[in-house]
Amino acid sequence: GDSVTQMEGPVTLSEEAFLTINCTYTATGYPSLFWYVQYPGEGLQLLLKATKADDKGSNKGFEATYRKETTSFHLEKGSVQVSDSAVYFCALSDPSLGGANSKLTFGKGITLSVRP
Amino acid sequence: DGGITQSPKYLFRKEGQNVTLSCEQNLNHDAMYWYRQDPGQGLRLIYYSQIVNDFQKGDIAEGYSVSREKKESFPLTVTSAQKNPTAFYLCASSTNLNRGDEQFFGPGTRLTVL
Repeated sequence: GDSVTQMEGPVTLSEEAFLTINCTYTATGYPSLFWYVQYPGEGLQLLLKATKADDKGSNKGFEATYRKETTSFHLEKGSVQVSDSAVYFCALSDPSLGGANSKLTFGKGITLSVRP
Repeated sequence: DGGITQSPKYLFRKEGQNVTLSCEQNLNHDAMYWYRQDPGQGLRLIYYSQIVNDFQKGDIAEGYSVSREKKESFPLTVTSAQKNPTAFYLCASSTNLNRGDEQFFGPGTRLTVL
């Protein structure tokens, strides 16, 4: 079945540091890929998405490129802020399977802490 | 403003009691979902529904039940059969289950069994 693997955490960075969070996936079709962010005590918010190979999703300075050849969707940001401290989830949805198998599959999430 | 509401934010339950978590959306979405989140384990799907009066079990449905009598509402009941119910519960919705559209999440309910 489909699966998403995220790098182990937690990650602690200083403000203005460069961020990379790795995400790789396994899917039988051509999935849509997502990054969600969860701030403390809240639900998940969509950060960015990409629906086909070589698409780049971007939002709030974060970027991720859909790499079919490496089955990856790594999240990057050039300069993190304290306000970026949160839990980040990579997820996929494979619409080609249809019906019950089109649901989102999430990675385990990684906690990012940014110190001033 | 359109969105998803969950209530209550915090819920305490004694062992052996059933409790119902509320989820309402005004986004006119067809599909709705319930997830359970435990520390370090990501999100696990409990139940989902593509249309009114239809719902399917997810990966960890044992000890839970749902109903979908209205498009806007998808309540989750945590029964006494759920052996470890203490967790953070998230409700979500999306426009069309089959097109891989993104899901929109509510703020969550934290359930604690005393």
